[in-house]
Amino acid sequence: AQSVTQLGSHVSVSEGALVLLRCNYSSSVPPYLFWYVQYPNQGLQLLLKYTTGATLVKGINGFEAEFKKSETSFHLTKPSAHMSDAAEYFCAVSGTGNQFYFGTGTSLTVIP
Amino acid sequence: DAGVTQSPTHLIKTRGQQVTLRCSPKSGHDTVSWYQQALGQGPQFIFQYYEEEERQRGNFPDRFSGHQFPNYSSELNVNALLLGDSALYLCASSLEVRLLYNEQFFGPGTRLTVL
Repeated sequence: AQSVTQLGSHVSVSEGALVLLRCNYSSSVPPYLFWYVQYPNQGLQLLLKYTTGATLVKGINGFEAEFKKSETSFHLTKPSAHMSDAAEYFCAVSGTGNQFYFGTGTSLTVIP
Repeated sequence: DAGVTQSPTHLIKTRGQQVTLRCSPKSGHDTVSWYQQALGQGPQFIFQYYEEEERQRGNFPDRFSGHQFPNYSSELNVNALLLGDSALYLCASSLEVRLLYNEQFFGPGTRLTVL
């Protein structure tokens, strides 16, 4: 079975500060992991994904995430927060047949 | 490329009614999945359609049913609506042959409000 846990339902950072959103996963098979962003009243946009290969994954808008098997983690980071980064972020793991299991989300607030 | 489209954008129904939501997958995609996203929660998998058949199903009652048409578009039907069915319903499309790559594209969703 697959599941993800997002630590911290709300995160606030100052503009220009480091963004760190935490995600831990549970998977009975080698996981495929994803981060999605959702802006108000919109659908989900893929930020980045890890399938195989390099454990440091770079995505859009300057975000990156590192797959750490020993820690069962896939935390999302961005060196310098921008006001436009304020949104809801979801970590997800995929199961058989491309079924996705999502975390409960982390709301990111960027303080000017 | 239009991407995944969903209709309607918003919908208001009353308890006990029935509703149909529609999804057109991204061009070239043959697999459609539906998710329910309650307020403040992550999306929950409802079911997935491929070759006009339901291939996988999440933990949702039989009141939730679906259909996939020969052109790969899909409908989600919910009968006997409950207040708890109020949510954003997301459709996602993918290509069966690329399952290993786990590429899934989401539409903007349909916001259903049950009064």
